[in-house]
Amino acid sequence: DGGITQSPKYLFRKEGQNVTLSCEQNLNHDAMYWYRQDPGQGLRLIYYSQIVNDFQKGDIAEGYSVSREKKESFPLTVTSAQKNPTAFYLCASRQTGVYEQYFGPGTRLTVT
Amino acid sequence: AQSVTQLDSQVPVFEEAPVELRCNYSSSVSVYLFWYVQYPNQGLQLLLKYLSGSTLVKGINGFEAEFNKSQTSFHLRKPSVHISDTAEYFCAVRWDNFNKFYFGSGTKLNVKP
Repeated sequence: DGGITQSPKYLFRKEGQNVTLSCEQNLNHDAMYWYRQDPGQGLRLIYYSQIVNDFQKGDIAEGYSVSREKKESFPLTVTSAQKNPTAFYLCASRQTGVYEQYFGPGTRLTVT
Repeated sequence: AQSVTQLDSQVPVFEEAPVELRCNYSSSVSVYLFWYVQYPNQGLQLLLKYLSGSTLVKGINGFEAEFNKSQTSFHLRKPSVHISDTAEYFCAVRWDNFNKFYFGSGTKLNVKP
């Protein structure tokens, strides 16, 4: 089955720790995206990548980092510099020439 | 600056009644428009999209939306809702000269029996 996987579904961390969220796709899509979702605020773009070894900051990149070493993988690291990391994180991908994005199931991160 | 507005944060409706969820965006120049649905603790699923051509587009689960260039709107409609339509709906816009998508803040549709 082709799709986007995000693991784990739920993640708990202590304040001050870095944490990496996984996003893998087997759709052979070129572009990948990370969004943060908070209640009542919709989706806000953190980072996106259009090709391997290249990525751009989105609207709320501070406190986050990414890498794109492989086409199918786009991990997101939430660093201790992110002031309010508790949120639902969504990964998406898109094929070049196709207009819509496809989303993974999301990871809910709770930092206490 | 690009923006997408969903004015209604919550829409309660009775089962089998019609519903309209509103979406407005900041500029009509070369836009691509989408509606997504999200069930609790899940990712987003594409309902429908407008790329070009006919302004009325049909999607999955009986939903449809109409692109109105002059009003910069893309409202989502369904003539008769079901309990299973209870979810959050997001409008998204991509402007042609950007690779980014802009999302509205979402509308929670609550279908009551």
